[in-house]
Amino acid sequence: DTGVSQNPRHKITKRGQNVTFRCDPISEHNRLYWYRQTLGQGPEFLTYFQNEAQLEKSRLLSDRFSAERPKGSFSTLEIQRTEQGDSAMYLCASRSTGYNEQFFGPGTRLTVL
Amino acid sequence: AQTVTQSQPEMSVQEAETVTLSCTYDTSESDYYLFWYKQPPSRQMILVIRQEAYKQQNATENRFSVNFQKAAKSFSLKISDSQLGDAAMYFCAYRSAGSTGNQFYFGTGTSLTVIP
Repeated sequence: DTGVSQNPRHKITKRGQNVTFRCDPISEHNRLYWYRQTLGQGPEFLTYFQNEAQLEKSRLLSDRFSAERPKGSFSTLEIQRTEQGDSAMYLCASRSTGYNEQFFGPGTRLTVL
Repeated sequence: AQTVTQSQPEMSVQEAETVTLSCTYDTSESDYYLFWYKQPPSRQMILVIRQEAYKQQNATENRFSVNFQKAAKSFSLKISDSQLGDAAMYFCAYRSAGSTGNQFYFGTGTSLTVIP
């Protein structure tokens, strides 16, 4: 068990481009979260999966953002038509049902030029 | 939505001394969980300590302990015998214990500096 992994670790893109991030949770964890963290702020909830089902999405999540978790394993977060305001650290976390602790990945730092 | 407030953006402590980080939260629920997470510079976030709201006893993990005041909706973290490795951002977080309690709500964090 190597923990939660995220790829890429860094992504620089030009405004208007699409980007996709991947998260591989701890293998036995059925719950997966995506967060966005900007400088000087705490993680802000984006969306949540239980197995392959996306059960919750933040009202702050623009329709340019989409997330998937096919087969209930890894997850992807796609941002279409990126804007400079999308620049942030995108964090993934996972946990098992019945356990309170969520384990975080190292994050993907997105810079939109 | 629940809110979590950390009113101390920055704190500092001398090595081997004790420091307390503050956190307050707003909720109408009676059953929930509270957490302190640590995020070292350029490293991933890890759980420091957690508290179940139904437990009256304050949680303790080695040098880390909490002061949980349910009526006051306060959840402070005490770090004893501070070490250089304790330097990090510390985030307080809340999660409902109900069936819809999937979201974690985080505060804005406290940056802790440990002075040698």
